[in-house]
Amino acid sequence: AQKVTQAQTEISVVEKEDVTLDCVYETRDTTYYLFWYKQPPSGELVFLIRRNSFDEQNEISGRYSWNFQKSTSSFNFTITASQVVDSAVYFCALGTSYNTDKLIFGTGTRLQVFP
Amino acid sequence: EPEVTQTPSHQVTQMGQEVILRCVPISNHLYFYWYRQILGQKVEFLVSFYNNEISEKSEIFDDQFSVERPDGSNFTLKIRSTKLEDSAMYFCASSPGQGSGAYEQYFGPGTRLTVT
Repeated sequence: AQKVTQAQTEISVVEKEDVTLDCVYETRDTTYYLFWYKQPPSGELVFLIRRNSFDEQNEISGRYSWNFQKSTSSFNFTITASQVVDSAVYFCALGTSYNTDKLIFGTGTRLQVFP
Repeated sequence: EPEVTQTPSHQVTQMGQEVILRCVPISNHLYFYWYRQILGQKVEFLVSFYNNEISEKSEIFDDQFSVERPDGSNFTLKIRSTKLEDSAMYFCASSPGQGSGAYEQYFGPGTRLTVT
């Protein structure tokens, strides 16, 4: 079975704090893809990153960084020096390499950044 | 930058009525999807569409649902006889299906469906 678990339902931080959002996945596929999406209060889903299962390099994009660890089936997302505009619900998702490539989403983590 | 568009942004309908939700995927994308999100819950896969046919559908996507790509640009989701529990945000997504970003799904802004 394929599953994505985001154990943190809600996180509150004060601006400029670093925050890490956890994501743990389950799959029997040997090739798969992991994603993070941001859902701001306006409701749209904004693509942040895709990571392939065969590429365990960590990635940094500005204040965002992602830590992919196959050994623990985790794909965690860190925001450095958080800002109020980072307040949103963040979803981790799992996709397979099959032709459908449907995404299986976690339940999301609501991040609130206070000034 | 190309984006997925959806219309309408909000649809209110009465139980038992038919609704059609419309999407225009990114023009050179090959795979199309519908997802839904009940308020406050996670995003759930409904159906994927490739080469003018359904690739996969979830158990949610029963006989009341259908999808169509009537022309080269639109991708529609029809709910034949809406129920109260169909109230949700419906997201359309598309992905290139080839190239380095083959599996990156880009989502539209969503259509909020309210069934009364």
